[in-house]
Amino acid sequence: QVRLVQSGAEVRKPGASVKVSCKASGFTFSNYGFSWVRQAPGQGPEWMGWISGYNGNRRYAQKFQDRVTMTTETSTRTIYMEIGSLRSDDTAVYYCARDNGDSRDYWGQGTLVTVSS
Amino acid sequence: DIVLTQSPLSLPVTPGEPASISCRSSQSLLHSNGKHYLDWYLQKSGQSPQLLIYLGSNRASGVPDRFSGSGSGTSFTLNISRVEAEDVGVYYCMQPLQSYTFGQGTKLEIK
Repeated sequence: QVRLVQSGAEVRKPGASVKVSCKASGFTFSNYGFSWVRQAPGQGPEWMGWISGYNGNRRYAQKFQDRVTMTTETSTRTIYMEIGSLRSDDTAVYYCARDNGDSRDYWGQGTLVTVSS
Repeated sequence: DIVLTQSPLSLPVTPGEPASISCRSSQSLLHSNGKHYLDWYLQKSGQSPQLLIYLGSNRASGVPDRFSGSGSGTSFTLNISRVEAEDVGVYYCMQPLQSYTFGQGTKLEIK
């Protein structure tokens, strides 16, 4: 069955960076893209960007252009999202989702990133 | 950015009764390919969002047929024909047409 399994919770200090992984299984990795979405405590979801599982093409939300990097590792069917220059308002649950353009049908379980001094 | 406005923000419903949520967009969500790019999600407490409807009116795999989506252009609606206790949570519309954005969310609760 289709699964997206994310890495565990992380704690970072302000100014640091964090890299979250999302391992895919149960489908042909290269046939899909993947979106990253985050949700701060008590807030609605916020889209961060998208990356192709086929060729690594990516596009980022303007808000995150200068401090987010999304990558794929086809051999392990894993996608990564790294965000740098962390601030307290980056504290959120980060989700990956399978995204073929028409739908975002499967989501990871979420990774809590806490930014605190 | 495209702004999505949902209403109502809070929706108390008696089990077995219908429910309806509106999502209005600041720009048309009709692509040149003829598809309307609007999703509906349900997020239950402590869980990831789950896709209910995509392309405005297509029910996702495994979603009960009491959920339906309709609309076009800038106005869309999610309907639940008969609300059940398991439908409690926050409903979001989302547009992936132009740098994806979400509505504010509608909290459905059981009366």
